Amino acid sequence: DTGVSQDPRHKITKRGQNVTFRCDPISEHNRLYWYRQTLGQGPEFLTYFQNEAQLEKSRLLSDRFSAERPKGSFSTLEIQRTEQGDSAMYLCASSSSLAGVTYEQYFGPGTRLTVT
Amino acid sequence: AQKITQTQPGMFVQEKEAVTLDCTYDTSDQSYGLFWYKQPSSGEMIFLIYQGSYDEQNATEGRYSLNFQKARKSANLVISASQLGDSAMYFCAMREANSNSGYALNFGKGTSLLVTP
Repeated sequence: DTGVSQDPRHKITKRGQNVTFRCDPISEHNRLYWYRQTLGQGPEFLTYFQNEAQLEKSRLLSDRFSAERPKGSFSTLEIQRTEQGDSAMYLCASSSSLAGVTYEQYFGPGTRLTVT
Repeated sequence: AQKITQTQPGMFVQEKEAVTLDCTYDTSDQSYGLFWYKQPSSGEMIFLIYQGSYDEQNATEGRYSLNFQKARKSANLVISASQLGDSAMYFCAMREANSNSGYALNFGKGTSLLVTP
């Protein structure tokens, strides 16, 4: 069990550029989540995958955001035409539907995005 | 809609002392789950403890215990024998009842805990 990994850990980009983040969940976990955390706030849910299917998207996920999870393994989150308001920590989490009633989520270290 | 409230932006505690971090919640669901996570300066969210709404006993995990008062809708985290490494942000979270979201978590704003020597 190597835990959830995210790449890159930090990204600085200029406004208007596209960025892509990657998340590798714990290998046997079929559920994958993306959250966004801004300064002084708790994480906010963005989107959820069960295996390769994207089942839920938050209203926070504007049309500039797209997420994929091909083959139900790693996931990518792309932000097109970045804006300064996109500056935040993007957290990925995974869990297993076999985790019983707790549905405990394991988080990665996050990708900190700064849009200049 | 669910709501999590953490009213303490920052807390101080002396090493080896106990500290209580407050969390109140609001939900119309009968079945729900409450979590506490720790976030050190490195950024990773670390799961600490879980309490189910139907659990009759308060959850405990090592030095962490959850003081669950269902009627008052509170789920306070108690850390006993604080250590310097406990200095971090602490978040209370509730599991959504919506299975379509994979039971995503709703988080409070967090409490910053500083343990002093």
